[in-house]
Amino acid sequence: QVQLVQSGSELKKPGASVRVSCKASGYTFTNYPMTWVRQAPGQGFEWMGYINTNTGNPTYAQGFTGRFVFSLDTSVSTAYLQISSLKAEDTAIYFCARVGEVATGVDYWGQGTLVTVSS
Amino acid sequence: ETTLTQSPAFLSATPGDIVHISCKASQDIDDDMNWYQQKPGEAAIFIIQEATTLVPGIPPRFSGSGFGTDFTLTINDIDSEDVAYYFCLQHDSFPWTFGQGTKVELK
Repeated sequence: QVQLVQSGSELKKPGASVRVSCKASGYTFTNYPMTWVRQAPGQGFEWMGYINTNTGNPTYAQGFTGRFVFSLDTSVSTAYLQISSLKAEDTAIYFCARVGEVATGVDYWGQGTLVTVSS
Repeated sequence: ETTLTQSPAFLSATPGDIVHISCKASQDIDDDMNWYQQKPGEAAIFIIQEATTLVPGIPPRFSGSGFGTDFTLTINDIDSEDVAYYFCLQHDSFPWTFGQGTKVELK
């Protein structure tokens, strides 16, 4: 069965960097793009963009360029989200989610990773 | 950008009730609307795809309707297993956008 398992919660200081991992299993990793979604405290979901797991080409939503980087290690079926120069407003739960078949949208979600940025 | 307005934000139902959750899009998105269920600490589950299609394995008491701008998730005969947070997603155009979510509880 398809599973997306994310890394654990992180507590970081402003200005630091964090890397969130998302390990996929139960399917061929490179056949489906991976998207990233942010949920800030008390807020709804924000789509951050996605990465083509076949080519490694990322697409970032407006507001998630510069400090946010999507990457892959296809040898271990894992997608990564790296955030640099962390700010307090980056405090959120970050989700990875698989993009399903053509015109399906998201079909599987990770459990989420809480990133807290605090001095 | 397509804005999704989801309502209500909170819903309290009696076991056995029929409940409706609405998601209205700011522009025509055809049937590119999905619904998800999320329970605390768990991964969200895909329940309705393309506005009306029940995802395999999801109980038939869940159904979706709508096309264009107005969409509804219906839960028939609601029970304790359905206590969760529900949200919609439009994947018609980038950026994909989400409804604000509905927290469903039982009385």
